[in-house]
Amino acid sequence: AQSVTQLGSHVSVSEGALVLLRCNYSSSVPPYLFWYVQYPNQGLQLLLKYTSAATLVKGINGFEAEFKKSETSFHLTKPSAHMSDAAEYFCAVSEASNYQLIWGAGTKLIIKP
Amino acid sequence: NAGVTQTPKFQVLKTGQSMTLQCAQDMNHNSMYWYRQDPGMGLRLIYYSASEGTTDKGEVPNGYNVSRLNKREFSLRLESAAPSQTSVYFCASRTVNQPQHFGDGTRLSIL
Repeated sequence: AQSVTQLGSHVSVSEGALVLLRCNYSSSVPPYLFWYVQYPNQGLQLLLKYTSAATLVKGINGFEAEFKKSETSFHLTKPSAHMSDAAEYFCAVSEASNYQLIWGAGTKLIIKP
Repeated sequence: NAGVTQTPKFQVLKTGQSMTLQCAQDMNHNSMYWYRQDPGMGLRLIYYSASEGTTDKGEVPNGYNVSRLNKREFSLRLESAAPSQTSVYFCASRTVNQPQHFGDGTRLSIL
């Protein structure tokens, strides 16, 4: 069965510092992997997706993620945090063929001035 | 550019009352989904509809029913609301080989 683990329910970084949000997955088949962002009182917006092409995926708002099969990881990074990045971030996995998403519990990103 | 529209945005119910949450998409997507979001638990799939005329249970279907009224609309019904169903409900849709698009959610409180 597929599962997703996001390490850290809350991550706090200073403005201008590196953002690193961790996601590990388990899947018995080649996975598709996604990061979504949720701003307060809004729905979820797709940041980026991995669908078996390039292992380094670039998304919106300067975020990127790297698929590492050996580590079963898909960590999200951004070189320099902005105040506007404060939100909750969700990692999700699906089997390549069906796009039925299994979700992590989410990580709330806090940006300190 | 409406995308996925959910109504209502907020609702307070008393235990035992019934209500229907509405979802409509204007992107001609085949598949539609209902999730609930609870703190620390991510999103959990309630029901989904892979195509018009079909519906299937997700991870947490108990206490809910759905109707895929047509290609655009997918409604979620609570027949007898319980406090455990207090949550934020999200509708999503997608087309073939594309990720899911989400509505802004319905915040439901059951007293």
